[in-house]
Amino acid sequence: GENVEQHPSTLSVQEGDSAVIKCTYSDSASNYFPWYKQELGKRPQLIIDIRSNVGEKKDQRIAVTLNKTAKHFSLHITETQPEDSAVYFCAAQSTGGFKTIFGAGTRLFVKA
Amino acid sequence: DAGITQSPRHKVTETGTPVTLRCHQTENHRYMYWYRQDPGHGLRLIHYSYGVKDTDKGEVSDGYSVSRSKTEDFLLTLESATSSQTSVYFCAIGPEGNQPQHFGDGTRLSIL
Repeated sequence: GENVEQHPSTLSVQEGDSAVIKCTYSDSASNYFPWYKQELGKRPQLIIDIRSNVGEKKDQRIAVTLNKTAKHFSLHITETQPEDSAVYFCAAQSTGGFKTIFGAGTRLFVKA
Repeated sequence: DAGITQSPRHKVTETGTPVTLRCHQTENHRYMYWYRQDPGHGLRLIHYSYGVKDTDKGEVSDGYSVSRSKTEDFLLTLESATSSQTSVYFCAIGPEGNQPQHFGDGTRLSIL
């Protein structure tokens, strides 16, 4: 069945460093890839998304890249800050699909 | 914030009792979802709905049932709660097409 693998499961970085989270999807029909951030005790919230007709998208300190051939997509956070500490989930949807397949999540720690 | 309200927000109950969680939306979205979130398992889909009275099973549907009699309400029922159903339950809503899901604030359910 459809699957999204996410790595690493835990990531610890020093404040100011960059963080990269990688995901791989299995369904070649997937064409929409949202990323969610979940702070402790809160709901997952969309932080950025990318569609398959775009290779990269940026929003201030965060960026997402997509390699359709390899079925890889990644989240890049630059100049990390303590408030970036959270669990991040990647996800994939396919055309006409209404189910979102989530990765298992990455717990990011940013040390001050 | 998307207009999603989950109730109750917290509940403690005993094994064997029935439990109903409610998700209410004001966005008139067609799709509604119930997930459970447990440490180490990310977000797992329990059931989803693609319209009034139209529902289907997700990956962890055993022990759960759902109903959707109105567009705005999606109910999740545990007919006879077990300790393994202790979890945080999130409702999500999604519009037509490849758009992100938006989550409610969650219900923390403890079954003793």
